[in-house]
Amino acid sequence: AQSVTQPDIHITVSEGASLELRCNYSYGATPYLFWYVQSPGQGLQLLLKYFSGDTLVQGIKGFEAEFKRSQSSFNLRKPSVHWSDAAEYFCAVGAEGGSYIPTFGRGTSLIVHP
Amino acid sequence: DGGITQSPKYLFRKEGQNVTLSCEQNLNHDAMYWYRQDPGQGLRLIYYSQIVNDFQKGDIAEGYSVSREKKESFPLTVTSAQKNPTAFYLCASSMTPIEAFFGQGTRLTVV
Repeated sequence: AQSVTQPDIHITVSEGASLELRCNYSYGATPYLFWYVQSPGQGLQLLLKYFSGDTLVQGIKGFEAEFKRSQSSFNLRKPSVHWSDAAEYFCAVGAEGGSYIPTFGRGTSLIVHP
Repeated sequence: DGGITQSPKYLFRKEGQNVTLSCEQNLNHDAMYWYRQDPGQGLRLIYYSQIVNDFQKGDIAEGYSVSREKKESFPLTVTSAQKNPTAFYLCASSMTPIEAFFGQGTRLTVV
């Protein structure tokens, strides 16, 4: 069965600092990988996705993520964090073909200090 | 505009009462999902449906029921058998295997 691990429950950064949120997945074949962001009391918004091809993917709001098959990782990065980036971030994995059901990590809460 | 609409945004349930959460999409997606979100536990799958008139249990289906009579609609009923229903409920849809699109959620509270 596929699974996703986000090892950091909370991450605190200063505004303007760089950010990296970690995500490790478990799946036997090539996974479909996603990062979502959630503001308090809201639904989830897709930041970026990886299906195949270039392992460095660009998303909205200045985010990017890199797929590393050897490490089973799909870490999210941003070079300079803004206060409005404070939110909950979820990594998700989907299976190729067959029964596609997105599986989510537990989320990482990003706190941004001024 | 295309999207997913969940209603109501806030819902209060008395002990022993069944309540139904609405989820409607106009994205023409085949698959729809219900997730439950509790603090620190991420999103847990309750039920999913990949075609009309068919649905499958997820990881935490006990105490919940669904129907899929129309492609656009996937209502979730929280029954009295669900002992701890207070949570944030999220509905999503997708045109598999592309990404899931989410509604704005319904916060259910037991009073």
